[in-house]
Amino acid sequence: DAGVIQSPRHEVTEMGQEVTLRCKPISGHNSLFWYRQTMMRGLELLIYFNNNVPIDDSGMPEDRFSAKMPNASFSTLKIQPSEPRDSAVYFCASRSGQGRNQPQHFGDGTRLSIL
Amino acid sequence: AQSVTQLDSQVPVFEEAPVELRCNYSSSVSVYLFWYVQYPNQGLQLLLKYLSGSTLVKGINGFEAEFNKSQTSFHLRKPSVHISDTAEYFCAVSDSGGGADGLTFGKGTHLIIQP
Repeated sequence: DAGVIQSPRHEVTEMGQEVTLRCKPISGHNSLFWYRQTMMRGLELLIYFNNNVPIDDSGMPEDRFSAKMPNASFSTLKIQPSEPRDSAVYFCASRSGQGRNQPQHFGDGTRLSIL
Repeated sequence: AQSVTQLDSQVPVFEEAPVELRCNYSSSVSVYLFWYVQYPNQGLQLLLKYLSGSTLVKGINGFEAEFNKSQTSFHLRKPSVHISDTAEYFCAVSDSGGGADGLTFGKGTHLIIQP
């Protein structure tokens, strides 16, 4: 079975540019989570969706960050404009059902570097 | 809100020796507990989870963990480690009730296996 697929795996761009990170969850999973990993702060939840609907975006650091899930098989995390402090590894995870006893399945992440 | 403390940022161990990675959590509500492993340049992979019932849970790759409610701990153990166990290990909790969804992670423990 295909796991969670994230693209691109690496992104290097200059400050001020728009960045779009993409995620394809596991088929049949209806909960999707975006996390950010940095050395200083570790893994932080940014936003999550249930059945394509954003439920809690309180972890989104600033208005420069936005996330969408137009359908059950695709989600994007956008940063506009990007800043050097946004450099991090961004993970997408999906989960079967809405039961919190189900494990989240993670993609391999997007390593983002803002110059 | 929950928090997770992993007391050791790095644990060096000789190959075939036993290891324990410590995890303590704080929460005002009931939680589910998870251990994830992250190999270099990869996403997180579930090792094991505690939902309810028996406090000793067994996971993949020979790992096990014990839930101790009175000490709010969920330490991970393996009786004999291998070079291939070198990785970053994350303890995580989630609210088992109706509060905010998503995982709260510890800062991680880097397990270093020495030959």
